Amino acid sequence: NAGVIQTPRHKVTGKGQEATLWCEPISGHSAVFWYRQTIVQGLEFLTYFRNQAPIDDSGMPKERFSAQMPNQSHSTLKIQSTQPQDSAVYLCASSLAGGSSYEQYFGPGTRLTVL
Amino acid sequence: SQLAEENSWALSVHEGESVTVNCSYKTSITALQWYRQKSGKGPAQLILIRSNERDNRNGRLRATLDTSSQSSSLSITATRCEDTAVYFCATERTGGYKVVFGSGTRLLVSP
Repeated sequence: NAGVIQTPRHKVTGKGQEATLWCEPISGHSAVFWYRQTIVQGLEFLTYFRNQAPIDDSGMPKERFSAQMPNQSHSTLKIQSTQPQDSAVYLCASSLAGGSSYEQYFGPGTRLTVL
Repeated sequence: SQLAEENSWALSVHEGESVTVNCSYKTSITALQWYRQKSGKGPAQLILIRSNERDNRNGRLRATLDTSSQSSSLSITATRCEDTAVYFCATERTGGYKVVFGSGTRLLVSP
């Protein structure tokens, strides 16, 4: 089991460009979460999928952020027209189900730098 | 305000000493988890303690839960330099799915 895989590990974009981040959850896990981590804000919830269906995107900045899970083996987080304030580590996690009774397995994260 | 929050921003101990990280939370919960994040990696769960448990152990780690005061602690005995990391408590409202993480306590273990 390779764990949760995230690619790329590092991404640098210019202001206004698009960034697509990829996540491959652990096989058999029905819950997939995306988080954003910065020094100032800490670990912020972005969005949650259950059995590939979007359940909660309340943490997603509106307009420029979108997430999809087209199949059980991968999810993408897309940021359009990136801004310097989008610079952060984006973490993907999967678990058997949602909620604190289930361990979340995190990927290593994608460090996004917007110049 | 955060659903769960660690009580210390940072702690520093010498190798071999014991240390305790405390967490307070604000609602009824199903369970509380403690995670550790080392530099350049994602968080990894250390211990899960359910609302009907008072104490749970994993090697040198011990987590306690006090539902009356809505608090939890994570104790590490015989600390090692490799315990240097950020420690998070995380939980969700009973029946929810969204786990919320505290801001983390930065632990430095020096030789």
